[in-house]
Amino acid sequence: DQQVKQNSPSLSVQEGRISILNCDYTNSMFDYFLWYKKYPAEGPTFLISISSIKDKNEDGRFTVFLNKSAKHLSLHIVPSQPGDSAVYFCAASEASGTYKYIFGTGTRLKVLA
Amino acid sequence: GAGVSQSPSNKVTEKGKDVELRCDPISGHTALYWYRQRLGQGLEFLIYFQGNSAPDKSGLPSDRFSAERTGESVSTLTIQRTQQEDSAVYLCASSSSGRYNEQFFGPGTRLTVL
Repeated sequence: DQQVKQNSPSLSVQEGRISILNCDYTNSMFDYFLWYKKYPAEGPTFLISISSIKDKNEDGRFTVFLNKSAKHLSLHIVPSQPGDSAVYFCAASEASGTYKYIFGTGTRLKVLA
Repeated sequence: GAGVSQSPSNKVTEKGKDVELRCDPISGHTALYWYRQRLGQGLEFLIYFQGNSAPDKSGLPSDRFSAERTGESVSTLTIQRTQQEDSAVYLCASSSSGRYNEQFFGPGTRLTVL
């Protein structure tokens, strides 16, 4: 059972435009959410996170929105740059236990110059 | 800088052989995680260490998989009698203790079982 879902395997966006990556989750115990970016042959790197007490968190060009009632979060990248081309993973964790991350399957973003 | 390192970067083995994968976490990080990513899939949690103890092994797919950590540092993941479905990239991550400390990932070991 996939608790974190990224239904779009790929996305192409023109440079300078907005990229919107979506993520849905099913476990209501998740209270902390993260986005990681992964380039080929490298490990994932942390991008941005959000706690369930917030509905928005911004860091430069990156904003994460959380809609708890819909169990949905999204990552907005504005403006998109060619260097943003990578696979983006959504992850979630529960308040209790080991804080392990449950990852989605990833969305491959391609920013076209 | 001293990030998380993993070795080997690539490992090709024959079905039925044992393999050992190594992870060197960031110095001082007490938490260590192993994940794997099979082709076309997301990262799948395997095991978590706090110090040298493994309070969560719930992700290990079978008893052919085991892991240990020593000196609150290096960890090894061992897969016995490898099967073709074990082929994946195995990723290690470490973090400081605490709820909101991000996990830093190594580059992974790509395991191919022929």
